[in-house]
Amino acid sequence: NAGVTQTPKFQVLKTGQSMTLQCAQDMNHEYMSWYRQDPGMGLRLIHYSVGAGITDQGEVPNGYNVSRSTTEDFPLRLLSAAPSQTSVYFCASRVGGTQYFGPGTRLLVL
Amino acid sequence: AQKITQTQPGMFVQEKEAVTLDCTYDTSDPSYGLFWYKQPSSGEMIFLIYQGSYDQQNATEGRYSLNFQKARKSANLVISASQLGDSAMYFCAMGETSGSRLTFGEGTQLTVNP
Repeated sequence: NAGVTQTPKFQVLKTGQSMTLQCAQDMNHEYMSWYRQDPGMGLRLIHYSVGAGITDQGEVPNGYNVSRSTTEDFPLRLLSAAPSQTSVYFCASRVGGTQYFGPGTRLLVL
Repeated sequence: AQKITQTQPGMFVQEKEAVTLDCTYDTSDPSYGLFWYKQPSSGEMIFLIYQGSYDQQNATEGRYSLNFQKARKSANLVISASQLGDSAMYFCAMGETSGSRLTFGEGTQLTVNP
């Protein structure tokens, strides 16, 4: 039981490049979500999913796409990276009434 | 829309003393959950404690307790017997009672002095 895993841990992109942040959980949790954390701020919800095949937007969805083809995986795609997307990205899954977070991916867009 | 306010950017406490971290919230939802997370310098988010809006008693988890005052819309975190390892950023969050769709405050940086 590895909990919530995220890859990569750190990534540098150039403006306009695309990439996918991976998130996986092995606990069979239906609910998963993506947050971003900018310096000196709390986390903000990007997208979430209540189960395979079902996703919805959070507070700051622009510039990001998600899909949920399996219960285990919930990747976050940046189609055309911008410097404003420099942030730390956290994936989370929910068990009972509590969300548990992955270790985060630190993204730098130059 | 939900809003969380943490008015203390930084707090200092002596080791072994208790400390209260403030959190106020605003929502029009009749049912909601309140959460506290700890973020040490290593960056991970660690769940501490949960309070449901209809819970009659204040939540407690070891040295952590949540002082929930519904009429005042406050959900302060109390840490008893502070330890050096408690030095971290603390975030208050609210969301659905299922734990979904969390809205976070800006955090309070707690420093425990020996």
